[in-house]
Amino acid sequence: QITLKESGPTLVKPTQTLTLTCAFSGFSLSSSGVGVGWVRQPPGKALEWLALIYWDDDKRYSPSLKSRLTITKDTSKNEVVLTMTNMDPVDTATYYCAHYYFGWGILDYWGQGTLVTVSS
Amino acid sequence: QPVLTQPPSASGTPGQRVTISCSGSRSNIEANTVNWYQQLPGTAPRLIIYNNNQQWPSAVPDRFSGSKSGTSASLAIDGLQSDDEADYYCAAWDDSLNGLVFGGGTKLTVL
Repeated sequence: QITLKESGPTLVKPTQTLTLTCAFSGFSLSSSGVGVGWVRQPPGKALEWLALIYWDDDKRYSPSLKSRLTITKDTSKNEVVLTMTNMDPVDTATYYCAHYYFGWGILDYWGQGTLVTVSS
Repeated sequence: QPVLTQPPSASGTPGQRVTISCSGSRSNIEANTVNWYQQLPGTAPRLIIYNNNQQWPSAVPDRFSGSKSGTSASLAIDGLQSDDEADYYCAAWDDSLNGLVFGGGTKLTVL
């Protein structure tokens, strides 16, 4: 059974760096074809893909946010960490991590999400 | 601005057939498979259709189906039921952007 859970601060100040952790179980991020992705959703708005990290440590970032994002994995801890620099109130959103299957290009198992508010 | 274009809303009465469209381009929908996600109010999205028209196991009943033609895709729901009320998102890999792209989402209302 694949499960994922996001954790991190619920409130960050403008210009600060956000660090989110995705703790997962039920799969290994060293298995071929597997990845973990991050998606965010501002209140009342659409889903926006942020980043992906693959089993071989290859990484992909949203072009519009690439300069602010870093995604890393710790295979031994079954964790993926996303950092986003220079946070702004427009970055207020629920942040989701999800299991990614490379073969079909799908985010097939999602965490419950964590709401991050950016405010001074 | 989402890369994939969906109508912001759709509606139907119980028992009706509803279709939600998703328009893209050669670098995303035409070149790659389309997936659909359902987001019930207050919950995380969940995969319901993958590889254009394959139902994700145990996600939704057979009433849900997907299709793709060229740079467009669609999700159809037959025999609409009240618990189908949700937001629906299409998604695909984009070869030009080298990343995932989502549609803007369609809010389905059962009248």
